[in-house]
Amino acid sequence: EVQLVESGGGLVKPGGSLRLSCVASGFTFSNTWMIWVRQAPGKGLEWVGRIKRKTETRTVDYAAPVKGRFTISRDDSKNTLYLEMNSLETDDTALYYCTTRYCSGGGCWDDAFDIWGQGTMVTVSS
Amino acid sequence: QSALTQPASVSASPGQSITISCTGTSSDVGAYNYVSWYQHHPGKTPKLIIYAVSNRPSGVSSRFSGSKSGNTASLTISGLQAEDEADYYCNSYSSSSTLVVFGGGTKLSVL
Repeated sequence: EVQLVESGGGLVKPGGSLRLSCVASGFTFSNTWMIWVRQAPGKGLEWVGRIKRKTETRTVDYAAPVKGRFTISRDDSKNTLYLEMNSLETDDTALYYCTTRYCSGGGCWDDAFDIWGQGTMVTVSS
Repeated sequence: QSALTQPASVSASPGQSITISCTGTSSDVGAYNYVSWYQHHPGKTPKLIIYAVSNRPSGVSSRFSGSKSGNTASLTISGLQAEDEADYYCNSYSSSSTLVVFGGGTKLSVL
């Protein structure tokens, strides 16, 4: 079964840090771009960032609001994606999803995400 | 404030058709044929229903269709069914520093 399972969320004070994990199964993780998307309470979806494959030097790109504070990494030997979050702000409060880039018929689409985890909740509050 | 603009809500009766717009700029929707749409039932994970403006992943009903004109993309759902009631989001590739931008979402009510 194709699956993504996030963990690591919780309550943290402003300025604090947290590391999220996303364990993948049922597909070739190492061959897949991985993405973090978040959803603040009552708000829409927001792209956080992505990490490419080893063959693409695991290039990482970030959304402007998190650049310099968040770090995305991956461990292909453990089929695990990470999101290290530092200097957390109240605006970072959200449900954090990991997801995969959609590929089909030999093509891939950078803005299309097809496998999603259930998400892990991060609350930043004093 | 989301980068792409969607109506907050739309409603229609079963069997009818609706269209949800997604308006961006010449830096995102207007610049690329990289527009996707997602169906999101509360408490569940988002589901990809349209990619590359007008393509459906395998298994997605043909009642869902997508199009684009200039800086505005559109999702049309025909023959509305009760289970179509959900939030719908568009996204697009962007030339800005944030490479992928989402719309604020549209709540579809099937009355």
